[in-house]
Amino acid sequence: GAGVSQSPSNKVTEKGKDVELRCDPISGHTALYWYRQSLGQGLEFLIYFQGNSAPDKSGLPSDRFSAERTGGSVSTLTIQRTQQEDSAVYLCASSVQFDTEAFFGQGTRLTVV
Amino acid sequence: RKEVEQDPGPFNVPEGATVAFNCTYSNSASQSFFWYRQDCRKEPKLLMSVYSSGNEDGRFTAQLNRASQYISLLIRDSKLSDSATYLCVVTPLSGGYNKLIFGAGTRLAVHP
Repeated sequence: GAGVSQSPSNKVTEKGKDVELRCDPISGHTALYWYRQSLGQGLEFLIYFQGNSAPDKSGLPSDRFSAERTGGSVSTLTIQRTQQEDSAVYLCASSVQFDTEAFFGQGTRLTVV
Repeated sequence: RKEVEQDPGPFNVPEGATVAFNCTYSNSASQSFFWYRQDCRKEPKLLMSVYSSGNEDGRFTAQLNRASQYISLLIRDSKLSDSATYLCVVTPLSGGYNKLIFGAGTRLAVHP
């Protein structure tokens, strides 16, 4: 079966524009995570979904960041008024539940110019 | 204090060496623990889960010490292909749910 799919794989945007990043988790996985990874750095937790609800949004860096998940499946991470410091690889992962293996997508590399 | 702390390395070791990585976590309510491996410019992938009794998978051994809030990974007989970043993962309880929190990773470079 298909793994976690993220789109686009690369995105170059101008400072101040809005961007939407999409994640298609593995079918049947209720837990979905978004992380951000800057070059040479570790994974920064952004947000976690259990089904359609987001019990933990504590990692979102500012109110320019938002995420939603519909139908317990696809999730969209939106960054409004992008800044250069938003440049990073955005990784999505899904798992059957929190204490089982999380499978990652290949990420979206965002560059804000 | 960070939720998960790891020595960033890099650990530069010759083939055949034994190397150990440590990781400490701050949330005593964490329930599950994992080691993930991330190759350069790739996504992380599960290496192994860490059980209270300790567990072994071939050349890899993971240990958990709940009292000290510490987990470890031991790699024996290192191979060139083991060169990667090793990420410690814990699941602190938050808002009634557990979430996956990754350490910053420890880089391993195995040389001939």
